[in-house]
Amino acid sequence: SQQGEEDPQALSIQEGENATMNCSYKTSINNLQWYRQNSGRGLVHLILIRSNEREKHSGRLRVTLDTSKKSSSLLITASRAADTASYFCATAPTGTASKLTFGTGTRLQVTL
Amino acid sequence: DAGVIQSPRHEVTEMGQEVTLRCKPISGHNSLFWYRQTMMRGLELLIYFNNNVPIDDSGMPEDRFSAKMPNASFSTLKIQPSEPRDSAVYFCASSLQQQETQYFGPGTRLLVL
Repeated sequence: SQQGEEDPQALSIQEGENATMNCSYKTSINNLQWYRQNSGRGLVHLILIRSNEREKHSGRLRVTLDTSKKSSSLLITASRAADTASYFCATAPTGTASKLTFGTGTRLQVTL
Repeated sequence: DAGVIQSPRHEVTEMGQEVTLRCKPISGHNSLFWYRQTMMRGLELLIYFNNNVPIDDSGMPEDRFSAKMPNASFSTLKIQPSEPRDSAVYFCASSLQQQETQYFGPGTRLLVL
């Protein structure tokens, strides 16, 4: 089934370092989205990138999309302790009747 | 806007009892989603509505689960009878359209004893 798979499952870095998370999917998509979830909270939307886009920026976040490889990456630059959270990619398959499908997430730990 | 509102935030009940979770989506959003999240199974889509109509309920675990959306500003997820394995965090989310950005509520943490 259509699903984003994040890699790695867990990532631990020190404050100030960059964090890179990857997402792979299986079939054609209309868009791909990244969400963050802090412990005990709901998911929060970070960025949406459409299939005809290759790169998008938002503050310290940079998302790339390679539709030929069916993969996306999320880069968080100059990480902070507050970035500690789980990060999910979600894919919107082609076909207007298809729903958004979430991956299993990457757990990011940023230490001081 | 207040965002997606869910109630209750926490629910503790005994096995066999009926549980009703409530959700108020963001005004103007046409799609509403119910998710369940556990450590073992991650985030699972239970059911979603477009314009108050259920579109896909293939994620609903079994007949004990039912969901309704009587109008554009209110939805319920009901579990009857509840079982300990239903313990999870249940999220409601809404979006302008089903493939666009989803806005999640704070969730209802359900514990069935």
